[in-house]
Amino acid sequence: DSGVTQTPKHLITATGQRVTLRCSPRSGDLSVYWYQQSLDQGLQFLIQYYNGEERAKGNILERFSAQQFPDLHSELNLSSLELGDSALYFCASSEDGGSTEAFFGQGTRLTVV
Amino acid sequence: DAKTTQPTSMDCAEGRAANLPCNHSTISGNEYVYWYRQIHSQGPQYIIHGLKNNETNEMASLIITEDRKSSTLILPHATLRDTAVYYCIVEGSGAGSYQLTFGKGTKLSVIP
Repeated sequence: DSGVTQTPKHLITATGQRVTLRCSPRSGDLSVYWYQQSLDQGLQFLIQYYNGEERAKGNILERFSAQQFPDLHSELNLSSLELGDSALYFCASSEDGGSTEAFFGQGTRLTVV
Repeated sequence: DAKTTQPTSMDCAEGRAANLPCNHSTISGNEYVYWYRQIHSQGPQYIIHGLKNNETNEMASLIITEDRKSSTLILPHATLRDTAVYYCIVEGSGAGSYQLTFGKGTKLSVIP
């Protein structure tokens, strides 16, 4: 158990809908990262937050947004969903935003039908 | 683009050492080498990281060449539970911001 909790574990929704994925980082970790893993793209970095502020942005679509709340949990919002958004979404956390190890949650499997 | 090159797959006999190579010829002075692994569709798991010196922890050893252009992850006594995709990642220690860029990794199969 990495200490990072992601909910829900599975999500099935229709095209055009909006969903919210939630991540609770390890106790004491200030940094949260979101990744997308699809069969053909591998693990893609989406975005990083550090203590409530956006720190780094990767290949995140404009239809996607994220935030980190004062209690340090984070949410990833996916809107206008398309079939191609079906993937595993992982959240990770680390003590700080620098060169320390990141701990990953077990992921949310999103299926868009 | 990933900054590393790894073999697509490797086999290792159970109980033997697994040596996983990684080339990172364009690594710069402030970049670390990280190793993660992903078992089936679970979340990736941190294994070890290093800058220039060799490192060892309870899971593995990391050997980095003197010119830092390549490294080897060593699992000293591979078990069936070590079957996974292993990712070698090069990442800088920029102030408060880092994003692990995962490549395709090496699929390690531990064979009984």
